Amino acid sequence: DTAVSQTPKYLVTQMGNDKSIKCEQNLGHDTMYWYKQDSKKFLKIMFSYNNKELIINETVPNRFSPKSPDKAHLNLHINSLELGDSAVYFCASSQDLTSGGITDTQYFGPGTRLTVL
Amino acid sequence: GESVGLHLPTLSVQEGDNSIINCAYSNSASDYFIWYKQESGKGPQFIIDIRSNMDKRQGQRVTVLLNKTVKHLSLQIAATQPGDSAVYFCAEKVHSSASKIIFGSGTRLSIRP
Repeated sequence: DTAVSQTPKYLVTQMGNDKSIKCEQNLGHDTMYWYKQDSKKFLKIMFSYNNKELIINETVPNRFSPKSPDKAHLNLHINSLELGDSAVYFCASSQDLTSGGITDTQYFGPGTRLTVL
Repeated sequence: GESVGLHLPTLSVQEGDNSIINCAYSNSASDYFIWYKQESGKGPQFIIDIRSNMDKRQGQRVTVLLNKTVKHLSLQIAATQPGDSAVYFCAEKVHSSASKIIFGSGTRLSIRP
């Protein structure tokens, strides 16, 4: 029973293509996130959704568009892929966003390794 | 073994010894701190957290220490085992706001047999 799942696990594509990564959580959490982890393991938040509403939108190129059809899903669509988009993308979820305690604990998916050629 | 987190990204420890991973956080308004463990090929996994009204919290084989005066956080792992090999991240947050969790740069812990 995977708590936070992502598909695909690996994605290799050419520059200029459009691709999507899907994320689903079965924890009943209200909040979901997308993170980007670069080759130096630096982990940076991109987006956060709470009950399908966009809460956090970091300075991310508008080629990246998250979509939350329901609170259990948060997908990431990337247009016109560039070499610099190569990274591991992690989805995460938490029960809450603002309580500053255990309910903020984020549970991460296994990651999607995106390679742009 | 001991690391200084951002300045020494790799820590090598003898199996069975205690490990100390250090982290300096940046925001004096942060009042909630978390340690995550990331094994190779996996997502980060929650280990332990601490609020700013505490200076120490213990879990199973792990202890987190918080020094707000110098904005320093440490993770102590007792009797380090091969399964502890991973990258460890500290993270900070200002609670009661929709602010994001800020992750540190991580420290890689490797275990010598």
